[in-house]
Amino acid sequence: GAVVSQHPSWVICKSGTSVKIECRSLDFQATTMFWYRQFPKQSLMLMATSNEGSKATYEQGVEKDKFLINHASLTLSTLTVTSAHPEDSSFYICSATRTGGLVGAFFGQGTRLTVV
Amino acid sequence: EDKVVQSPLSLVVHEGDTVTLNCSYEVTNFRSLLWYKQEKKAPTFLFMLTSSGIEKKSGRLSSILDKKELFSILNITATQTGDSAVYLCAAIRNAGNMLTFGGGTRLMVKP
Repeated sequence: GAVVSQHPSWVICKSGTSVKIECRSLDFQATTMFWYRQFPKQSLMLMATSNEGSKATYEQGVEKDKFLINHASLTLSTLTVTSAHPEDSSFYICSATRTGGLVGAFFGQGTRLTVV
Repeated sequence: EDKVVQSPLSLVVHEGDTVTLNCSYEVTNFRSLLWYKQEKKAPTFLFMLTSSGIEKKSGRLSSILDKKELFSILNITATQTGDSAVYLCAAIRNAGNMLTFGGGTRLMVKP
């Protein structure tokens, strides 16, 4: 079955630094990737939709300059949390969709970010 | 604005019980509804429902969609402790492929 790999699984960083999270589709080409954020005991909130070769579409309230998304190839999208602050601490999850495939079927393992 | 609401918020049952989880939605240009199980990490896909009235089954889990009343249910029969998780439903539109998630139902199955 299709696999989406997300890296790192967890990261601790200092306030003010930037963190990059990678999302890879391992055995299919992902034309679209989605980035979600999940707070403890809450559901997934869509942050942005990333399309290969074009700018990401951000949801209302998500700062595009803070959460930089790059979908440079059909198998890789990255989310960079810039100048991280403790309130950015959260669980970040990506989802990938292949052309004509089932949207939402494949999620990465998630990345738990803790900013100290 | 699209909205997906799940109930109950949480549920505690004993092994062997049957549970029904509910998901209602108000989504523009609705296409399908998806169910997930989330344990400690990312959600695991369970079902996708597109047509009304057709039950999907996988082992002890089953789900059905009612597009007239705008809801879906997820049934788990003969529950086991391994079923303890958060169950999420999400609605997807025809355009844009955006998933709108419900708040989840936290299920705990006690031995």
